[in-house]
Amino acid sequence: KAGVTQTPRYLIKTRGQQVTLSCSPISGHRSVSWYQQTPGQGLQFLFEYFSETQRNKGNFPGRFSGRQFSNSRSEMNVSTLELGDSALYLCASSLEGSGSWDTQYFGPGTRLTVL
Amino acid sequence: KNEVEQSPQNLTAQEGEFITINCSYSVGISALHWLQQHPGGGIVSLFMLSSGKKKHGRLIATINIQEKHSSLHITASHPRDSAVYICAVSLGGATNKLIFGTGTLLAVQP
Repeated sequence: KAGVTQTPRYLIKTRGQQVTLSCSPISGHRSVSWYQQTPGQGLQFLFEYFSETQRNKGNFPGRFSGRQFSNSRSEMNVSTLELGDSALYLCASSLEGSGSWDTQYFGPGTRLTVL
Repeated sequence: KNEVEQSPQNLTAQEGEFITINCSYSVGISALHWLQQHPGGGIVSLFMLSSGKKKHGRLIATINIQEKHSSLHITASHPRDSAVYICAVSLGGATNKLIFGTGTLLAVQP
């Protein structure tokens, strides 16, 4: 089975622009979670989608949004980019999205640089 | 205070040494995860445990629910074990949300 894929792998944007990142989960996985990793804050949960519905959201401003399609692929969007949005954005997929017993498989990440 | 604390933050070991990384948490959890991140970003899930002990090759993870503490042990360490090891917790319910520790940077020297 192919692993979790994320596109693009690297992205450079300027302040004020918007960006869309894509995540394709492992075939058969219905849950996709997004995380932001920065040197200062470490790994933080952004949001989670299950069967096209946002099931949980982290403490991020409304500029961060996402969606999931019927084939479980997910996109996240960041509008009005700020310098502080520079980070590694990771997505992870799992079968059912229960953190108690469901292993998450991480993609390679998209490294976003905002200039 | 962070809900998930790891120690040490940095660890340098000689090849062959026994390594222990500790994780303490202050919230009620349904499971604790140990993750490994190599330079370049990719994260691999090593263990998910809610009680007792798990072993995979040279890696052993233990958890004490009453003390809210977990340890990751690496026996006979090797330079290829050099990575960041991250502890994360699930709070329960129908969600994959994880709360992460700050990570332990491990360097194993030959």
